[in-house]
Amino acid sequence: DQQVKQNSPSLSVQEGRISILNCDYTNSMFDYFLWYKKYPAEGPTFLISISSIKDKNEDGRFTVFLNKSAKHLSLHIVPSQPGDSAVYFCAASGGNTPLVFGKGTRLSVIA
Amino acid sequence: GAGVSQSPSNKVTEKGKDVELRCDPISGHTALYWYRQSLGQGLEFLIYFQGNSAPDKSGLPSDRFSAERTGGSVSTLTIQRTQQEDSAVYLCASSRVASSGTYNEQFFGPGTRLTVL
Repeated sequence: DQQVKQNSPSLSVQEGRISILNCDYTNSMFDYFLWYKKYPAEGPTFLISISSIKDKNEDGRFTVFLNKSAKHLSLHIVPSQPGDSAVYFCAASGGNTPLVFGKGTRLSVIA
Repeated sequence: GAGVSQSPSNKVTEKGKDVELRCDPISGHTALYWYRQSLGQGLEFLIYFQGNSAPDKSGLPSDRFSAERTGGSVSTLTIQRTQQEDSAVYLCASSRVASSGTYNEQFFGPGTRLTVL
């Protein structure tokens, strides 16, 4: 049973446009959510996070939105750049429990 | 400062052999995690060490898998009698754990790509 779902395995976006990556979760005990970015042959790197007490967190071109009632979060990247092309993983946790990761979405930003 | 390091970066082994994968976490990080990523799959949690507490082994797929963390620092993941389905990238991560209980960001190593022939 997948507790964290990223239903789009891939996404293509034109350079300069907005990229929206979606993530759904099932466990209502999750209270902390993170996005990681992974380039080939490298480990994932932390991108942005959000606590369940917030519904939005912004860091430069990256914004994460959390809709607790829908158990849904999304990552917005605007404007998208070719260097953003990578696999993006959504992750969730309740307290100090290990992170539960989604399967990832491969973003391709086309110049 | 130095990040999480893993060795070897690549390992090719024959079915039935044992392998050991090593992880050096960031100095001062009390929590250490092992994950694996099989082809086309997400990150699968394997095991979690937190300070001197008993490790959370709930993600280990079989008793062929085990892990140790010596002196609260370096960790070794051992896979006995490897099978072809064990082929994957094995990732290690570490994090600080805030006293408030707020979850801390995990820093990942580059991974070890294991291929079982």
